[in-house]
Amino acid sequence: EPEVTQTPSHQVTQMGQEVILRCVPISNHLYFYWYRQILGQKVEFLVSFYNNEISEKSEIFDDQFSVERPDGSNFTLKIRSTKLEDSAMYFCASSEGVGRGELFFGEGSRLTVL
Amino acid sequence: QQQVKQSPQSLIVQKGGISIINCAYENTAFDYFPWYQQFPGKGPALLIAIRPDVSEKKEGRFTISFNKSAKQFSLHIMDSQPGDSATYFCAASKGETSGSRLTFGEGTQLTVNP
Repeated sequence: EPEVTQTPSHQVTQMGQEVILRCVPISNHLYFYWYRQILGQKVEFLVSFYNNEISEKSEIFDDQFSVERPDGSNFTLKIRSTKLEDSAMYFCASSEGVGRGELFFGEGSRLTVL
Repeated sequence: QQQVKQSPQSLIVQKGGISIINCAYENTAFDYFPWYQQFPGKGPALLIAIRPDVSEKKEGRFTISFNKSAKQFSLHIMDSQPGDSATYFCAASKGETSGSRLTFGEGTQLTVNP
């Protein structure tokens, strides 16, 4: 069964450092997303991406965040200068396309900022 | 108005019992209501979803009941099993096109005792 894969599974970084989280969405999917989940809390939308551009972003997704699809398979989330409050599980997701709302999530990348 | 309220926060049922989780929303533009199941250390996985043109959808032991006028929907798990123990999130999104952000509820931690 096709799945969304994410790397790394866990990253520890120092405050102020740049972090890149990587995702390989399901191959025939057209929409890509990043969500985050702070420990014990609900899953929160960060950004959606379609046709090589951001289609929607939340108030959480400020100038410290950026997304990129550097090639035909990878989708990345970059945090330029990490803060303590960026510590969370970051989930990548993808969906098939128009009229289909089902999102498929990866297993997540746990980011710990010290 | 974007919020989705979920209750209860935690639920304990005996094996074979019925688990019921409720959600309420305010934004009448929402037109897609999925439920996600999340096991510890894993990403959310789509369990079942409903659109507001029907009042109920059943898939195996899982049923969504939808009340459009009350802006509420619920998940019923019949014959609950210990393997159903997980965190369940309701969610909502708007727009016919995929790529719309999912707004998640706060989650319900379900424990099914053997």
